[in-house]
Amino acid sequence: QQQVKQSPQSLIVQKGGIPIINCAYENTAFDYFPWYQQFPGKGPALLIAIRPDVSEKKEGRFTISFNKSAKQFSLHIMDSQPGDSATYFCAASKGGGGADGLTFGKGTHLIIQP
Amino acid sequence: NAGVTQTPKFRVLKTGQSMTLLCAQDMNHEYMYWYRQDPGMGLRLIHYSVGEGTTAKGEVPDGYNVSRLKKQNFLLGLESAAPSQTSVYFCASSFGGHEQFFGPGTRLTVL
Repeated sequence: QQQVKQSPQSLIVQKGGIPIINCAYENTAFDYFPWYQQFPGKGPALLIAIRPDVSEKKEGRFTISFNKSAKQFSLHIMDSQPGDSATYFCAASKGGGGADGLTFGKGTHLIIQP
Repeated sequence: NAGVTQTPKFRVLKTGQSMTLLCAQDMNHEYMYWYRQDPGMGLRLIHYSVGEGTTAKGEVPDGYNVSRLKKQNFLLGLESAAPSQTSVYFCASSFGGHEQFFGPGTRLTVL
């Protein structure tokens, strides 16, 4: 049972475009929704995260939109750059400080063309 | 601060061999985790620990054992390696409050 579904699997966008990656979750006990960025040969690194009491969060060029009723959230990258080319994972964790770990989506391989 | 470190970085095993992966963190984090990453599968939780001396099973624990004898270290053991355990293994730690910090990974191949 895949608790966090991510789409698309891969995405190619021209420099300056706005790639959008979508995730949907099933477990209503989830209360923390991070996005991780991973470059080849490296571990994932936290990019931005949101809790379900807000509908949008921005950090620099990265924005999370959250729709609690639809159980969906998405990542938007404004003014995308070739350096943003990476694999992006959405994830979710439950209350209690996320002690029992993150549930990840399967990832989106993003390429930003110059 | 080194953050989260993992040893070894690469390893090749033959089926049936055993090995231990070491994770160390210098951030005084309470929570530690082991994930495996396979192509097209994202990261899946193997085992985790919420404090020294504690361990718990994650989503895919079969074939693995763990120990957390010291707060800063979390060991992942494979008693009898199988080709299905070929993967990249990531350790992560967290102070509590969800944000997890990941190590650089160990690439394991089981022949």
